Amino acid sequence: DAGITQSPRHKVTETGTPVTLRCHQTENHRYMYWYRQDPGHGLRLIHYSYGVKDTDKGEVSDGYSVSRSKTEDFLLTLESATSSQTSVYFCAISQGHEQYFGPGTRLTVT
Amino acid sequence: AQSVTQLDSHVSVSEGTPVLLRCNYSSSYSPSLFWYVQHPNKGLQLLLKYTSAATLVKGINGFEAEFKKSETSFHLTKPSAHMSDAAEYFCVVSRGFRIQGAQKLVFGQGTRLTINP
Repeated sequence: DAGITQSPRHKVTETGTPVTLRCHQTENHRYMYWYRQDPGHGLRLIHYSYGVKDTDKGEVSDGYSVSRSKTEDFLLTLESATSSQTSVYFCAISQGHEQYFGPGTRLTVT
Repeated sequence: AQSVTQLDSHVSVSEGTPVLLRCNYSSSYSPSLFWYVQHPNKGLQLLLKYTSAATLVKGINGFEAEFKKSETSFHLTKPSAHMSDAAEYFCVVSRGFRIQGAQKLVFGQGTRLTINP
């Protein structure tokens, strides 16, 4: 499982509140990614990181920000949650050609 | 630009019969291709990968896939389905270049595989 954990695993929040999801890895991987999974869309990349303090946008980055202050942690923040951000969020690391995924966080915005 | 089309949103087979999940891709570069599996309420697990070596790729749990450049296809097969194969399967293409060394994946929409007893 590449030593990836995500927290929380489930969260219900109200529209307009900020939310932070955490991805933690224990194997010193340089590259980390945040995806969201929605029915009929597969997974779509939100943001990724290529090192401490080095991040860039993916294809669905609007309404999201990220931070990586240390190698092991990659945080995803919804600045003001909306119902369209109800989704399952997956963190991943890449190792060579392969990506390995965390267990996911199910977020519901009411 | 890279893209992936999974030709069936749902496939249903009987236990012990062959499985075929179809995937076509579009890529401006020589692609890397993957199949991932997701069991209900679980994360994604890598089944197999193609990275310009052998065109017939063997993966875990008896799955294999064949890269056919002339048909731009990367179909997933298994000779005999097992009940535990019931899951969602994603065909994935890696973008042909890496930004700052990062690897960008493009996912298909997924195929739900149902196994009938």
